[in-house]
Amino acid sequence: EAGVAQSPRYKIIEKRQSVAFWCNPISGHATLYWYQQILGQGPKLLIQFQNNGVVDDSQLPKDRFSAERLKGVDSTLKIQPAKLEDSAVYLCASSLVKGFTGELFFGEGSRLTVL
Amino acid sequence: AQSVSQHNHHVILSEAASLELGCNYSYGGTVNLFWYVQYPGQHLQLLLKYFSGDPLVKGIKGFEAEFIKSKFSFNLRKPSVQWSDTAEYFCAVNANNAGNMLTFGGGTRLMVKP
Repeated sequence: EAGVAQSPRYKIIEKRQSVAFWCNPISGHATLYWYQQILGQGPKLLIQFQNNGVVDDSQLPKDRFSAERLKGVDSTLKIQPAKLEDSAVYLCASSLVKGFTGELFFGEGSRLTVL
Repeated sequence: AQSVSQHNHHVILSEAASLELGCNYSYGGTVNLFWYVQYPGQHLQLLLKYFSGDPLVKGIKGFEAEFIKSKFSFNLRKPSVQWSDTAEYFCAVNANNAGNMLTFGGGTRLMVKP
């Protein structure tokens, strides 16, 4: 079974530039999550989708971050403009929607460095 | 809102030593509890979980965790660690009113010396 795919794996940008990350979840997983993991900290949920609808985006800094999942499959997370404090690993995860098991399947992450 | 604390940020053990990693959460209601592990160069994966029933749960690779409701704790244990257990371990909580959302602790980085 193919896992969660993310790209790019690494990105270096200067502050005030923009960046986009892409995620393709496991086939059949209706729920998709974006987490931000700053060095030395645990993952923090940014946004959760169920199919193409947003379930929770309460911790998404909406002045600069946006995310979409137009067809209920893959998703894009964008940061514009980036700040130094956005340097982190952006993790995408997916899970089945029926019966919460707590098992999220994570991708390998996209590491962003903002200079 | 719920929060999770992992007090040990770094742990270094020799092979065959026993392991206990602390995890405390703050939430007054019903919770589901998890430990995730991230091996070097790999993605996060589920190690074990507690939903209800026996508060002592067993996971993969000989790990177990005990839910102590009165202490709001869910500590991870292993009687004898191996070099291959070197990884970062994250405790996570899901409050029953939070849908599928997981809140993670800050993680504990375990190094096992051969």
